Amino acid sequence: DTGVSQDPRHKITKRGQNVTFRCDPISEHNRLYWYRQTLGQGPEFLTYFQNEAQLEKSRLLSDRFSAERPKGSFSTLEIQRTEQGDSAMYLCASSFTRGTNEKLFFGSGTQLSVL
Amino acid sequence: AQSVTQLGSHVSVSEGALVLLRCNYSSSVPPYLFWYVQYPNQGLQLLLKYTSAATLVKGINGFEAEFKKSETSFHLTKPSAHMSDAAEYFCAVSTSRGDTGRRALTFGSGTRLQVQP
Repeated sequence: DTGVSQDPRHKITKRGQNVTFRCDPISEHNRLYWYRQTLGQGPEFLTYFQNEAQLEKSRLLSDRFSAERPKGSFSTLEIQRTEQGDSAMYLCASSFTRGTNEKLFFGSGTQLSVL
Repeated sequence: AQSVTQLGSHVSVSEGALVLLRCNYSSSVPPYLFWYVQYPNQGLQLLLKYTSAATLVKGINGFEAEFKKSETSFHLTKPSAHMSDAAEYFCAVSTSRGDTGRRALTFGSGTRLQVQP
């Protein structure tokens, strides 16, 4: 168990550029979540996958954001035409869910700074 | 809808003193409740969770929390603080969404715990 891995740890970009983050969940975990956390706030839910299916998206996830989990393993989160308000820590979490019993394991996050 | 409110963004205690971090939830259906801890430059770690069994839940590192439905609360306590407990603590709630299990966690805004020597 190597934990949830996120890449990169830090990303600095200019406004208007596109960025992509990657999350590698714990092996065999069927659920994968994306959260966003800004300074002084708790994580805010963005979206989650069960295997390769994207089951829920938050209203926070504008059309500039897109997430994929093509083979039910790793996931990518892309932000197009970044804005300064996108600056945040992007957290990934995974779980193996059976019924309603679920324990999330979080990665250390990708810190995005939009200049 | 589900939400949590954490009273006090910063709490400071002396080493050896009681730790009390407050969390109140709002949910129209029976909730699952969680406490997570976040150390600097690390991912969130689950401290404990309430899933409708015993109302007093014991977690890791000596922490425990009590679910009080009448008060819609799930406060986190530890009898004696240790320097290593200094971190950010988040309360979270999850409710049933029927066919697909449970809704994703909704987190509170967090409480930063400082432990003074």
